[in-house]
Amino acid sequence: DAKTTQPNSMESNEEEPVHLPCNHSTISGTDYIHWYRQLPSQGPEYVIHGLTSNVNNRMASLAIAEDRKSSTLILHRATLRDAAVYYCILFAGGTSYGKLTFGQGTILTVHP
Amino acid sequence: EAGVVQSPRYKIIEKKQPVAFWCNPISGHNTLYWYLQNLGQGPELLIRYENEEAVDDSQLPKDRFSAERLKGVDSTLKIQPAELGDSAVYLCASSLESVNEQFFGPGTRLTVL
Repeated sequence: DAKTTQPNSMESNEEEPVHLPCNHSTISGTDYIHWYRQLPSQGPEYVIHGLTSNVNNRMASLAIAEDRKSSTLILHRATLRDAAVYYCILFAGGTSYGKLTFGQGTILTVHP
Repeated sequence: EAGVVQSPRYKIIEKKQPVAFWCNPISGHNTLYWYLQNLGQGPELLIRYENEEAVDDSQLPKDRFSAERLKGVDSTLKIQPAELGDSAVYLCASSLESVNEQFFGPGTRLTVL
């Protein structure tokens, strides 16, 4: 499985934007970039995903580098409820359909 | 809409005892997953079902773990006998199809003494 690299932790202040980076230099042409987050004592929650183009939804934006070897999850205005572990995952579009391989993720702390 | 339901939420057992976890996926979701999450780590896939068929169980320790998804809806994950190292959170997830986003339940926290 292709690997992703994320910082262990990041901090932000409430109502400020947060940019969570992810490196995936071994990404293949059929891999989608998925982001999930896990709040304390809960199961992971889908945030956003993309293939080549930047994506926006009600939760966040995903900026994908032109060579697809890195991406950035953008939370436009962090709230205390955004404090969670954020996982960047390469979702195989080929024979390994359906397999999410989680890394250790980035622990995001949001200060009031 | 109800989410993925898991029970029990917490379970404490002594080593060598059997234990079972139950999962009810979101209605209409064909794909069901069981994950194991150790403290401080990301979830790891144990098994994936497409309807009743286990299509990926390569990470399931088959000497002590078993799973079933009768009628392609609810699923049960069993450990027999449990070992100290099995203490973890067991997560169930479901999706419409394998390529769609996965919806996770709250998990069952297992403590083996």
